Amino acid sequence: DAGITQSPRHKVTETGTPVTLRCHQTENHRYMYWYRQDPGHGLRLIHYSYGVKDTDKGEVSDGYSVSRSKTEDFLLTLESATSSQTSVYFCAIRTPGQTHEAFFGQGTRLTVV
Amino acid sequence: GQQVMQIPQYQHVQEGEDFTTYCNSSTTLSNIQWYKQRPGGHPVFLIQLVKSGEVKKQKRLTFQFGEAKKNSSLHITATQTTDVGTYFCAGELSGGYQKVTFGTGTKLQVIP
Repeated sequence: DAGITQSPRHKVTETGTPVTLRCHQTENHRYMYWYRQDPGHGLRLIHYSYGVKDTDKGEVSDGYSVSRSKTEDFLLTLESATSSQTSVYFCAIRTPGQTHEAFFGQGTRLTVV
Repeated sequence: GQQVMQIPQYQHVQEGEDFTTYCNSSTTLSNIQWYKQRPGGHPVFLIQLVKSGEVKKQKRLTFQFGEAKKNSSLHITATQTTDVGTYFCAGELSGGYQKVTFGTGTKLQVIP
């Protein structure tokens, strides 16, 4: 895989608690993304980053915030987790050049009870 | 906003039968990518199509990009059990690949 590590891989948390998911890359790529995957919805973009301290919202950004203080780390925070945020979260990086393929991390399964 | 729909959502086939999934975008795309996700795994890039009417082949897989660059298809000939998984298309708009929109995916089951 393209040097992407997500942590934790699994987490169970209670409603109302804050949760931070971490994505770490060793490839020095500029673009990083957070997606959530739910049955029937495919992969939906939450937030993305195009550089250190440069982030923007995706299609399902409500209830989520992100930070990128270093090129290699992209953090996703659920300020106050809700049951609707139970999902599998994938981080991805996108390569520059002719093909814009995305490399995904292994995913984080988050359960909010 | 941009929407990318895929049909069918699920498909069960007998091993050896063919399989096709279709992807339709509400807007004209700069390019389209296809990914495969094995059960319990993460999406893995298969191919990217850029040109109007483009057709690319990877062994038993044939990918097409529509003339209007708003639709695409993936066809698998003579499916094998190793083809099991969910296939996603991902459409990228002109002007930047920051916001690639994934389709809803087609889950393929192959019955031996």
